[in-house]
Amino acid sequence: SQKIEQNSEALNIQEGKTATLTCNYTNYSPAYLQWYRQDPGRGPVFLLLIRENEKEKRKERLKVTFDTTLKQSLFHITASQPADSATYLCALMDTGRRALTFGSGTRLQVQP
Amino acid sequence: NAGVTQTPKFQVLKTGQSMTLQCAQDMNHEYMSWYRQDPGMGLRLIHYSVGAGITDQGEVPNGYNVSRSTTEDFPLRLLSAAPSQTSVYFCASSGPRGGREQYFGPGTRLTVT
Repeated sequence: SQKIEQNSEALNIQEGKTATLTCNYTNYSPAYLQWYRQDPGRGPVFLLLIRENEKEKRKERLKVTFDTTLKQSLFHITASQPADSATYLCALMDTGRRALTFGSGTRLQVQP
Repeated sequence: NAGVTQTPKFQVLKTGQSMTLQCAQDMNHEYMSWYRQDPGMGLRLIHYSVGAGITDQGEVPNGYNVSRSTTEDFPLRLLSAAPSQTSVYFCASSGPRGGREQYFGPGTRLTVT
């Protein structure tokens, strides 16, 4: 069956360090992979999109990599700040369907 | 430009009652979808629509109906509420073919007793 896995344990890091979050998937042929941020009590907010033929995408302090051989995406936040504390969700758009499937998210806590 | 709006913000229903969760977007997006979010389970797709008059089922469609008579609106109907439908419901929209970023509404927190 199709599965998207994100580390369910919270990630705690010190301010200024780089946070790295992992998204693994099985039984997908993704056309796109997206990352979202979600704050408590709010809807997810789009951060980055990477296509199947792209290896890496950057936006300010954010970087996403996409390895379709390993079936994995890594999401990096450099020079992390307490304001980056949130839950981060990865999502896949399968080539066979027009539906976006989400992982369960990883909570990031950046300590000042 | 309000983006994606959802009403109500909170709702309590008794088992067996029906209701409609409203969703509207003013960005002229073709693609709209409904998700439910439960603790530890992430967002699960209920139904989606790629344009007016076209809807399709997602991962967890049972107990829910949708229709898309206009580009702007995509209501979600609970036919006979059950405690298992207690959840936070999010509506989202995106541009052509749903392949790009999705814009989410603020959510509706539903409790079924």
